[in-house]
Amino acid sequence: AQKITQTQPGMFVQEKEAVTLDCTYDTSDPSYGLFWYKQPSSGEMIFLIYQGSYDQQNATEGRYSLNFQKARKSANLVISASQLGDSAMYFCAMREGLNTGNQFYFGTGTSLTVIP
Amino acid sequence: DAGVTQSPTHLIKTRGQQVTLRCSPKSGHDTVSWYQQALGQGPQFIFQYYEEEERQRGNFPDRFSGHQFPNYSSELNVNALLLGDSALYLCASSRPFQHTREHNEQFFGPGTRLTVL
Repeated sequence: AQKITQTQPGMFVQEKEAVTLDCTYDTSDPSYGLFWYKQPSSGEMIFLIYQGSYDQQNATEGRYSLNFQKARKSANLVISASQLGDSAMYFCAMREGLNTGNQFYFGTGTSLTVIP
Repeated sequence: DAGVTQSPTHLIKTRGQQVTLRCSPKSGHDTVSWYQQALGQGPQFIFQYYEEEERQRGNFPDRFSGHQFPNYSSELNVNALLLGDSALYLCASSRPFQHTREHNEQFFGPGTRLTVL
């Protein structure tokens, strides 16, 4: 089974609107971390937001928020007030366990295009 | 504070050749992980090095090998290149074995784009 599933290959959003990128995960480990990364055409993975499995509140970082629904095993990324510079690939990732050296599992990504 | 650096940026090789990619981790980081990202896919974990030893390995053949040096920098070697090895190779560094929020992140380098002809 896939550890991380991103079902939206491509998304479009109007500038200044909000957009939700979906992510579901699969793990039997009670301790895990969920991450979202942005990858512009240059290739570098840029960290956006982190949610720990024991965190009680949804993570927020500026215009990014993570809608964490543990029972559904979903970790959707919400980008508010979209900007043209948000156009990029977005990857959801998970690390199982408390060991921060553990490997990351990535989804297949969602291509976001912001329309002026 | 320099982030993760990788060299070279681009590389073109032919089938059967061998290649070495290099990575220097972010200052203060001592764990290096390597990922392969094929076109249109998410990154796939190759292996991770800590204390100069391979600690974890993904589902990659023995043609993929690595090394970590005392200064924490790392190399990825790929032997007997195949066309399917064409990909973006990403290096990520992190601090291991600490579970605090600020230590949870992996920092990625810009990648090396390998083309096998």
